[in-house]
This record gives sequence, C-alpha cells and structure tokens, in this order.
Amino acid sequence: AQSVTQPDIHITVSEGASLELRCNYSYGATPYLFWYVQSPGQGLQLLLKYFSGDTLVQGIKGFEAEFKRSQSSFNLRKPSVHWSDAAEYFCAVGDQGGSEKLVFGKGTKLTVNP
Amino acid sequence: EAGVTQSPTHLIKTRGQQATLRCSPISGHTSVYWYQQALGLGLQFLLWYDEGEERNRGNFPPRFSGRQFPNYSSELNVNALELEDSALYLCASSLGRAPSEQYFGPGTRLTVT
Repeated sequence: AQSVTQPDIHITVSEGASLELRCNYSYGATPYLFWYVQSPGQGLQLLLKYFSGDTLVQGIKGFEAEFKRSQSSFNLRKPSVHWSDAAEYFCAVGDQGGSEKLVFGKGTKLTVNP
Repeated sequence: EAGVTQSPTHLIKTRGQQATLRCSPISGHTSVYWYQQALGLGLQFLLWYDEGEERNRGNFPPRFSGRQFPNYSSELNVNALELEDSALYLCASSLGRAPSEQYFGPGTRLTVT
C-alpha cells in the first residue's frame, strides 16, 4: 500500500531564510505527488503537483519541489521564507493519478521567527 | 470561479445523534472526495463519489455514508455519532479523470459531546 513520510513534525526558520521540507513516498507505480498547505482551522490549498516530465516543479507563493525517483522523495523548497508562510504543510501521493484517493503524510508544522 | 464550498462551518452534536455535512464542488468537477482530519490521526480518506456513484471508501465503519446528487454536490452522513468522530471533515473535488488534482473546501468542524 502506498504511504507518505514527512520526517519533520515541526520546523522553525527565521524570516528570509531558506526552507526545505522533506517528503518520502512509497508507491509501486508512477507516483503522482502533491504538496498542500493548511492554515489553522482552514482547508487545504494546493501548492504544486508532479505528474510527469520535468522533475523540478514550480508552484504558487514561490515554492518549488523536486521529484527524485531514486530517493523516493519529493521535497518542498522556498529560497526565502515570509512570516505568512507559517502553516502546516502536507505531502500527498495520489492513487491512480490523483483521480482516486490521496494518501497524506502526517504534516510538517512551520513556524517563522521574525 | 467559486471554489469548493462546505456547510455548515461548525456542527455540534450529541453522542448517538446523526450529522449531515454538505459539499458543493467546483463547477465542472464531477468527482467529490471526503476526508477526515482528526487530532493525532492526520488526514484520512473517507469516500469518493463520481458521476453519482460511490467509487471507493476508506477504512471507516458503515455508519459513515453519503451520496452525490445530479448536480454533483454531495452529502456526508454520520450515524450513531461517537466522541471520536469529532474532527474536521474536508471535502475536495476534481475533474475525475487522471491525472487530476483535488481542490479542497474550508471544512466542517464536527464536535460530538
């Protein structure tokens, strides 16, 4: 069965610093990968997705992620974090291209210090 | 373009009662998904509806059920509520054909007392 691991439960960075959130997946077929962000008490907002092609994908809010098949990873990065980026971030793998269920990691909570 | 909408925002019920949660997908989307986000359990897939049919369900008891209407909106019903059903219930929609991303609504916070 597919699974997603986000090794870091909580990360704290200073505003302006770079950010990398880790995600490892286990999936037998070609993975369809997603990153979502959730502010407290809110729904999930799609940051970016990987279906195929270029392994470096660009998303909204200045985020990017790199798919590395050899490492089964899909890490999220941002060169300079803003205070408004403080939220919880979820990595997910889509069953059957995302048209069926999504399997989520446990999430990484990001705190941004001024 | 309007996003996924859910109602109500908050719902407070007593153990043993029934809860009904509603979801309207993005215009043009035929698939609706329900997820439960309970404290300590993360996001778990509940149900998937497409073209009015239940296509898949997660590892939840039968008292969790739902339906999808001809206009593709959906209802989630939870019968015989238990305290551990307290959670944020998220609805998502997609075009329903792979590959496609899911877009989420703001959620319904269900509290069972």
